[in-house]
Amino acid sequence: EDKVVQSPLSLVVHEGDTVTLNCSYEVTNFRSLLWYKQEKKAPTFLFMLTSSGIEKKSGRLSSILDKKELFSILNITATQTGDSAVYLCAAANAGGTSYGKLTFGQGTILTVHP
Amino acid sequence: DADVTQTPRNRITKTGKRIMLECSQTKGHDRMYWYRQDPGLGLQLIYYSFDVKDINKGEISDGYSVSRQAQAKFSLSLESAIPNQTALYFCATSDPRLAGIQFFGPGTRLTVL
Repeated sequence: EDKVVQSPLSLVVHEGDTVTLNCSYEVTNFRSLLWYKQEKKAPTFLFMLTSSGIEKKSGRLSSILDKKELFSILNITATQTGDSAVYLCAAANAGGTSYGKLTFGQGTILTVHP
Repeated sequence: DADVTQTPRNRITKTGKRIMLECSQTKGHDRMYWYRQDPGLGLQLIYYSFDVKDINKGEISDGYSVSRQAQAKFSLSLESAIPNQTALYFCATSDPRLAGIQFFGPGTRLTVL
């Protein structure tokens, strides 16, 4: 059974702090690892990672994948209150009729205080 | 702007009632998905469809059924709603040419009393 586990489940920081969110996965026919941000609405896409060791970066957010150790991290530097959200990690399947299926982790609830 | 829409956005119903949640998209994507979200459990896949003639069960399909009426429309039905189906329901679409990234609708909050 495919499984994705995120840690921590919740995190409270102050503006300006740097945070690291973790995601480990066990997925047969692994294709890629995706990160989403969910505020009080639909999840919105942040990153997709397919290759180990290559950092994806967007502003203060960055992410990297380790396919040997089966994990990914999402870093947010100089956090702002607008970063408060649930961050979801998902692993995509590459195999046959399951191609493109996503298995989601539980999410990390990030709260950034002023 | 191309979008994924869901109706209704909120619904309160009683145990035993039949409920239909609807999803429409203007993205032109062939693949559509239904998820439910419960606190602390992330998103769980209910059903997915790769084209109009293709319907597949996800992880938690019991108690649910779906209909893919057209490329742009994918409906989720609860034949006889029960309280533990109270959750936030999301529809999503994807296009494998876009590396299979899924795009989500705004969600339907369903409460079964």
